[in-house]
Amino acid sequence: EPEVTQTPSHQVTQMGQEVILRCVPISNHLYFYWYRQILGQKVEFLVSFYNNEISEKSEIFDDQFSVERPDGSNFTLKIRSTKLEDSAMYFCASSPRRDIYEQYFGPGTRLTVT
Amino acid sequence: QKEVEQNSGPLSVPEGAIASLNCTYSDRVSQSFFWYRQYSGKSPELIMSIYSNGDKEDGRFTAQLNKASQYVSLLIRDSQPSDSATYLCAVPSGGSYIPTFGRGTSLIVHP
Repeated sequence: EPEVTQTPSHQVTQMGQEVILRCVPISNHLYFYWYRQILGQKVEFLVSFYNNEISEKSEIFDDQFSVERPDGSNFTLKIRSTKLEDSAMYFCASSPRRDIYEQYFGPGTRLTVT
Repeated sequence: QKEVEQNSGPLSVPEGAIASLNCTYSDRVSQSFFWYRQYSGKSPELIMSIYSNGDKEDGRFTAQLNKASQYVSLLIRDSQPSDSATYLCAVPSGGSYIPTFGRGTSLIVHP
């Protein structure tokens, strides 16, 4: 069964450093998403991406964040200068259509900022 | 700010019982409603969607929607210990396909 994969599973970084979180969406999916979940809190939408551009983004997704699809398979989230409050689980998701009826989440990357 | 509210629980039910999970939402124009299951330390998994008032059944799961009351629920019949997880309600706000998630209700099914 096709699945969304994410690397690394756990990333530890120092405050102020740049991190890149990587995702490989399901191959025939067209819409890609990043969400985050701070420990014990809600899942929060960050950004959606379609046709090589951002289609929607939340207030959380400020200038410190960027997304890219550098090739035909990877989808990346970059945080330019990490803060302590960026510590969270980051989930990538993909769907074949704009609605989320068939949206699948990856296993997540746990980001710890020290 | 569009809100999706859930009782955080935990909701504890015995094996074989019906678990009832509730969710209210603030955006009156929302048209689609989703339930996810999230095991501890894992990613959310979409288990049910509902678009029309009334009930929608899928195996042991039934989603119920009342748009007038802005209320959506999930019933799990014949609860099993493997159903123990956090259940997230997610509602896209009017005009968007992106869901706003509730905090989730923790369900514990004890043998």
